Amino acid sequence: QVQLVQSGAEVKKSGASVKVSCRASGYSFGSLDMNWVRQATGQGLEWMGWANPSSGNTGYAQKFQGRVTMTTSPSTNTAYMELSSLTSEDTGVYYCARGYWNADALDVWGQGTTVTVSS
Amino acid sequence: QSVLTQPPSVSAAPGQTVTISCSGSSSNIATNFVSWYQQFPGTAPKPLIYEDKKRPSGIPDRFSGSRSGTSATLAISGLQTGDEATYYCGTWDSNLNAGVFGGGTKLTVL
Repeated sequence: QVQLVQSGAEVKKSGASVKVSCRASGYSFGSLDMNWVRQATGQGLEWMGWANPSSGNTGYAQKFQGRVTMTTSPSTNTAYMELSSLTSEDTGVYYCARGYWNADALDVWGQGTTVTVSS
Repeated sequence: QSVLTQPPSVSAAPGQTVTISCSGSSSNIATNFVSWYQQFPGTAPKPLIYEDKKRPSGIPDRFSGSRSGTSATLAISGLQTGDEATYYCGTWDSNLNAGVFGGGTKLTVL
Protein backbone atom coordinates (compact mmCIF):
# COMPACT_ATOMS: atom_id res chain seq x y z
CA GLN A 1 0.00 0.00 0.00
CA VAL A 2 1.02 3.61 -0.48
CA GLN A 3 2.89 4.84 2.55
CA LEU A 4 4.96 7.82 3.71
CA VAL A 5 7.15 7.11 6.73
CA GLN A 6 8.85 10.03 8.44
CA SER A 7 11.91 10.22 10.66
CA GLY A 8 11.70 10.42 14.43
CA ALA A 9 11.23 13.31 16.82
CA GLU A 10 13.91 15.97 17.09
CA VAL A 11 14.96 18.34 19.85
CA LYS A 12 17.03 21.30 18.74
CA LYS A 13 18.50 24.46 20.22
CA SER A 14 17.53 27.89 18.99
CA GLY A 15 19.60 28.84 15.97
CA ALA A 16 20.21 25.26 14.90
CA SER A 17 18.88 23.45 11.83
CA VAL A 18 16.69 20.35 11.54
CA LYS A 19 16.35 17.91 8.67
CA VAL A 20 13.27 15.69 8.46
CA SER A 21 13.02 12.75 6.07
CA CYS A 22 9.99 11.15 4.43
CA ARG A 23 10.39 7.73 2.80
CA ALA A 24 7.79 6.81 0.19
CA SER A 25 6.70 3.34 -0.83
CA GLY A 26 3.96 1.71 -2.86
CA TYR A 27 3.91 4.13 -5.81
CA SER A 28 6.16 5.72 -8.40
CA PHE A 29 7.98 8.30 -6.31
CA GLY A 30 8.74 10.59 -9.22
CA SER A 31 5.14 10.84 -10.38
CA LEU A 32 3.91 13.28 -7.72
CA ASP A 33 5.07 16.35 -5.81
CA MET A 34 5.96 16.03 -2.16
CA ASN A 35 4.52 18.79 -0.01
CA TRP A 36 5.47 19.75 3.54
CA VAL A 37 2.92 21.04 6.05
CA ARG A 38 3.54 22.04 9.62
CA GLN A 39 1.29 22.40 12.63
CA ALA A 40 2.33 24.37 15.68
CA THR A 41 1.06 22.95 18.94
CA GLY A 42 -2.68 23.58 19.20
CA GLN A 43 -2.73 25.47 15.90
CA GLY A 44 -3.90 24.87 12.35
CA LEU A 45 -2.17 23.53 9.25
CA GLU A 46 0.43 25.66 7.48
CA TRP A 47 1.74 24.77 4.00
CA MET A 48 5.51 25.16 3.71
CA GLY A 49 6.35 24.16 0.15
CA TRP A 50 6.77 21.38 -2.41
CA ALA A 51 9.46 19.43 -4.23
CA ASN A 52 9.15 17.39 -7.41
CA PRO A 53 11.32 14.26 -7.44
CA SER A 54 11.48 14.03 -11.24
CA SER A 55 12.46 17.59 -12.10
CA GLY A 56 14.09 18.61 -8.82
CA ASN A 57 11.98 21.76 -8.90
CA THR A 58 10.82 23.28 -5.65
CA GLY A 59 8.47 26.01 -4.45
CA TYR A 60 8.33 27.54 -1.01
CA ALA A 61 5.85 29.62 0.94
CA GLN A 62 7.11 33.17 1.21
CA LYS A 63 7.26 32.90 4.99
CA PHE A 64 9.95 30.22 4.76
CA GLN A 65 11.94 31.51 1.78
CA GLY A 66 15.64 31.60 2.58
CA ARG A 67 15.27 29.34 5.59
CA VAL A 68 13.89 26.10 4.15
CA THR A 69 15.35 23.64 1.66
CA MET A 70 13.35 20.75 0.26
CA THR A 71 15.14 17.99 -1.61
CA THR A 72 14.38 14.52 -2.92
CA SER A 73 16.41 11.38 -3.56
CA PRO A 74 14.78 9.28 -6.28
CA SER A 75 17.30 6.50 -5.70
CA THR A 76 16.00 5.98 -2.15
CA ASN A 77 12.43 7.26 -2.66
CA THR A 78 13.01 9.78 0.11
CA ALA A 79 12.12 13.44 0.47
CA TYR A 80 13.82 15.81 2.88
CA MET A 81 12.90 19.12 4.48
CA GLU A 82 15.60 21.16 6.18
CA LEU A 83 14.72 24.24 8.21
CA SER A 84 17.46 26.52 9.53
CA SER A 85 17.77 29.31 12.11
CA LEU A 86 15.23 27.62 14.34
CA THR A 87 13.31 29.56 16.99
CA SER A 88 10.70 28.46 19.52
CA GLU A 89 8.01 29.41 16.99
CA ASP A 90 9.18 26.51 14.82
CA THR A 91 8.14 23.99 17.48
CA GLY A 92 5.43 21.72 16.13
CA VAL A 93 4.64 18.69 14.02
CA TYR A 94 5.92 18.54 10.44
CA TYR A 95 4.10 16.40 7.87
CA CYS A 96 5.01 15.31 4.37
CA ALA A 97 2.07 14.80 2.00
CA ARG A 98 2.16 13.76 -1.64
CA GLY A 99 0.06 15.23 -4.41
CA TYR A 100 -0.96 18.15 -6.56
CA TRP A 101 -3.40 20.71 -5.21
CA ASN A 102 -5.34 20.87 -8.50
CA ALA A 103 -5.61 17.14 -9.02
CA ASP A 104 -6.06 14.62 -6.24
CA ALA A 105 -4.87 17.18 -3.67
CA LEU A 106 -2.76 15.95 -0.74
CA ASP A 107 -3.99 12.37 -0.75
CA VAL A 108 -1.42 10.53 1.39
CA TRP A 109 0.24 11.94 4.50
CA GLY A 110 3.16 10.87 6.62
CA GLN A 111 2.64 10.21 10.32
CA GLY A 112 4.29 13.48 11.32
CA THR A 113 7.59 14.40 12.96
CA THR A 114 7.63 16.43 16.16
CA VAL A 115 10.29 19.12 16.28
CA THR A 116 10.92 20.84 19.59
CA VAL A 117 13.08 23.96 19.71
CA SER A 118 14.42 25.00 23.08
CA SER A 119 16.56 27.92 24.12
CA GLN B 1 -4.50 34.95 10.08
CA SER B 2 -5.40 32.27 7.51
CA VAL B 3 -5.97 33.09 3.84
CA LEU B 4 -9.12 30.94 3.92
CA THR B 5 -11.77 31.67 6.54
CA GLN B 6 -13.62 28.93 8.42
CA PRO B 7 -15.84 29.15 11.50
CA PRO B 8 -13.84 28.09 14.58
CA SER B 9 -16.52 25.66 15.71
CA VAL B 10 -19.82 24.07 14.75
CA SER B 11 -22.06 21.67 16.61
CA ALA B 12 -25.07 19.48 15.93
CA ALA B 13 -26.87 16.46 17.33
CA PRO B 14 -26.29 12.87 16.17
CA GLY B 15 -28.17 12.08 12.99
CA GLN B 16 -28.40 15.71 11.90
CA THR B 17 -26.59 17.47 9.06
CA VAL B 18 -23.93 20.11 9.59
CA THR B 19 -22.21 22.37 7.08
CA ILE B 20 -18.79 23.96 7.35
CA SER B 21 -18.00 26.97 5.21
CA CYS B 22 -14.67 28.02 3.72
CA SER B 23 -14.38 31.54 2.33
CA GLY B 24 -11.59 32.70 0.08
CA SER B 25 -10.99 35.04 -2.85
CA SER B 26 -10.62 35.29 -6.62
CA SER B 27 -7.02 34.08 -6.48
CA ASN B 28 -7.71 30.85 -4.60
CA ILE B 29 -11.16 29.24 -4.26
CA ALA B 30 -12.63 31.01 -7.30
CA THR B 31 -10.02 29.53 -9.63
CA ASN B 32 -8.64 26.37 -8.04
CA PHE B 33 -10.03 23.12 -6.71
CA VAL B 34 -10.81 22.85 -2.99
CA SER B 35 -9.98 19.88 -0.77
CA TRP B 36 -11.07 19.01 2.77
CA TYR B 37 -9.23 17.18 5.55
CA GLN B 38 -10.34 15.60 8.81
CA GLN B 39 -7.98 15.56 11.76
CA PHE B 40 -8.32 13.84 15.12
CA PRO B 41 -6.05 14.95 18.01
CA GLY B 42 -2.56 13.56 17.74
CA THR B 43 -3.01 12.13 14.25
CA ALA B 44 -2.20 13.21 10.71
CA PRO B 45 -4.89 14.89 8.60
CA LYS B 46 -7.00 12.53 6.50
CA PRO B 47 -8.26 13.53 3.05
CA LEU B 48 -12.07 13.69 2.85
CA ILE B 49 -12.83 15.58 -0.36
CA TYR B 50 -10.71 16.56 -3.36
CA GLU B 51 -11.47 18.51 -6.54
CA ASP B 52 -14.35 20.24 -4.72
CA LYS B 53 -16.66 17.23 -4.43
CA LYS B 54 -14.90 13.94 -5.09
CA ARG B 55 -14.40 11.42 -2.29
CA PRO B 56 -11.35 9.16 -1.94
CA SER B 57 -12.19 5.48 -1.75
CA GLY B 58 -13.39 4.52 1.70
CA ILE B 59 -14.94 7.89 2.52
CA PRO B 60 -18.71 7.44 3.07
CA ASP B 61 -21.16 9.46 1.02
CA ARG B 62 -22.30 11.19 4.22
CA PHE B 63 -19.45 13.59 3.42
CA SER B 64 -20.02 15.91 0.48
CA GLY B 65 -18.36 19.04 -0.86
CA SER B 66 -19.34 21.93 -3.09
CA ARG B 67 -17.83 25.15 -4.39
CA SER B 68 -19.45 28.34 -5.67
CA GLY B 69 -17.65 31.56 -6.45
CA THR B 70 -15.17 32.34 -3.69
CA SER B 71 -16.64 29.89 -1.16
CA ALA B 72 -16.71 26.18 -0.56
CA THR B 73 -18.79 24.04 1.77
CA LEU B 74 -18.37 20.67 3.44
CA ALA B 75 -21.58 18.94 4.47
CA ILE B 76 -21.73 15.99 6.84
CA SER B 77 -25.06 14.18 7.08
CA GLY B 78 -26.18 11.52 9.53
CA LEU B 79 -23.76 12.84 12.13
CA GLN B 80 -22.05 10.31 14.37
CA THR B 81 -20.07 10.85 17.56
CA GLY B 82 -17.04 9.50 15.69
CA ASP B 83 -17.20 12.53 13.38
CA GLU B 84 -16.02 14.78 16.20
CA ALA B 85 -12.78 16.19 14.80
CA THR B 86 -11.27 19.32 13.31
CA TYR B 87 -11.91 19.94 9.61
CA TYR B 88 -9.67 21.98 7.29
CA CYS B 89 -10.24 23.30 3.80
CA GLY B 90 -7.31 23.83 1.47
CA THR B 91 -6.56 25.06 -2.04
CA TRP B 92 -3.89 26.65 -4.19
CA ASP B 93 -3.54 30.42 -4.30
CA SER B 94 -2.48 31.59 -7.75
CA ASN B 95 -1.30 35.02 -6.54
CA LEU B 96 0.74 33.73 -3.62
CA ASN B 97 1.84 30.72 -5.69
CA ALA B 98 1.33 28.68 -2.55
CA GLY B 99 -0.96 26.15 -0.94
CA VAL B 100 -3.29 27.66 1.65
CA PHE B 101 -5.46 26.22 4.42
CA GLY B 102 -8.35 27.49 6.44
CA GLY B 103 -7.90 27.91 10.18
CA GLY B 104 -9.86 24.75 10.91
CA THR B 105 -13.34 24.08 12.30
CA LYS B 106 -13.87 21.95 15.39
CA LEU B 107 -17.00 19.83 15.09
CA THR B 108 -18.83 18.83 18.25
CA VAL B 109 -21.53 16.19 18.05
CA LEU B 110 -23.81 16.92 21.00
